[in-house]
Amino acid sequence: QVQLQESGPGLVKPSETLSLICSVSGASSSTHYWNWIRQPPGKGLEWIGFIHYTGNTRSHPSLYSRVSMSVDTSRNYVSLNVNSVTAADTAVYYCARWSEDQRAFDYWGQGTLVTVSS
Amino acid sequence: DIVLTQAPGTLSLSPGERATVSCRASQSISSRHLAWYQQKLGQAPRLLIYGASSRATGFPDRFSGSGSGTDFTLTISRLEPEDFAVYYCQHYDNSEVTFGGGTKVEFK
Repeated sequence: QVQLQESGPGLVKPSETLSLICSVSGASSSTHYWNWIRQPPGKGLEWIGFIHYTGNTRSHPSLYSRVSMSVDTSRNYVSLNVNSVTAADTAVYYCARWSEDQRAFDYWGQGTLVTVSS
Repeated sequence: DIVLTQAPGTLSLSPGERATVSCRASQSISSRHLAWYQQKLGQAPRLLIYGASSRATGFPDRFSGSGSGTDFTLTISRLEPEDFAVYYCQHYDNSEVTFGGGTKVEFK
């Protein structure tokens, strides 16, 4: 059974870098596209971007300059960095697997809340 | 960029009633690239419908999706207590993903 688990600091100071890891079990990180999606408190879903182990990556245009993602196939995890954070980056961050067959996100992590505050 | 507009924002219904959620795209999209998700309070979203009309594993047949072009619909034929949640549509194209704003189905 595929399971995704996000982890990282729950509190980040403004202007610093938000760093999260998504640990993948029950599947290999060297298959599929792995995505990050966030949800500000009480609001809707916002796609951040995807990464493939080949290095193919794409980010939402509004976040492109601040986002980087990577895949560690040896440890089977995916990482996300968002730099120069502000309070607007406060959100629950989810990692999710993209299914090429379904053209949708078929597995999601439980999400982790990151608060940006001094 | 394609914008997905969901309506209504909130649907107040009773168990046993029919729920109809609309997702309208700002331009014509492929049905293959339209999905719906269910999100319960405090939980991650869960894939509900893909390819506009195919039900994902674990969802009963009271859930159905339809539509084409710019207009798509999620229907819950008879609401069960566990169906009260927020529903999102999602589109993928040209390596970008867009979500609708969400529709909350709440107890009347």
